[in-house]
Amino acid sequence: GENVEQHPSTLSVQEGDSAVIKCTYSDSASNYFPWYKQELGKRPQLIIDIRSNVGEKKDQRIAVTLNKTAKHFSLHITETQPEDSAVYFCAAISTGNQFYFGTGTSLTVIP
Amino acid sequence: DAGITQSPRHKVTETGTPVTLRCHQTENHRYMYWYRQDPGHGLRLIHYSYGVKDTDKGEVSDGYSVSRSKTEDFLLTLESATSSQTSVYFCAISESGGNTGELFFGEGSRLTVL
Repeated sequence: GENVEQHPSTLSVQEGDSAVIKCTYSDSASNYFPWYKQELGKRPQLIIDIRSNVGEKKDQRIAVTLNKTAKHFSLHITETQPEDSAVYFCAAISTGNQFYFGTGTSLTVIP
Repeated sequence: DAGITQSPRHKVTETGTPVTLRCHQTENHRYMYWYRQDPGHGLRLIHYSYGVKDTDKGEVSDGYSVSRSKTEDFLLTLESATSSQTSVYFCAISESGGNTGELFFGEGSRLTVL
């Protein structure tokens, strides 16, 4: 099966700075890479995703990049705000309808 | 939010007792999943279903069984609960599964096994 690694496990940034979270995957057949945000005590929710035929995708202050050759993808958050504080999970989906998640990154934005 | 509910939301039980968690959806989505969330491990797939009576194992399926007799319900059973199964359990649904379909999560069920 797929193996997804995520780094860092914790990240603290000053408000207004950028945050970057990186993930690697093992299965070259994986073709869909979503990112989920989980606020404290809440359910994970999709914030952005990217498909294997696209190298970058942006949605306001968040962007995701994908390097299929190196099998890694990253989440970029610019102009961070306190409400960005949460746990972020990357995931990869291969051919078996299974969503494999990374271990999560706890992001703290310091006002 | 997608129509997905989990029950019970909180449960405390003793080692060796059976436990069943229920996931109910009103979206008529084909795919349903059970995950467990533990600190340092992220979300790990226990079992998933790709249709009525069609299920498959995930990466941490030992000690768990599932059943799906109707499109809207997916049950997770711990036949004999152990302390290592203390966790937060999330059900999730997807319309198209691995074919780039979004995964919608329930609110989670916190299980404590004493």
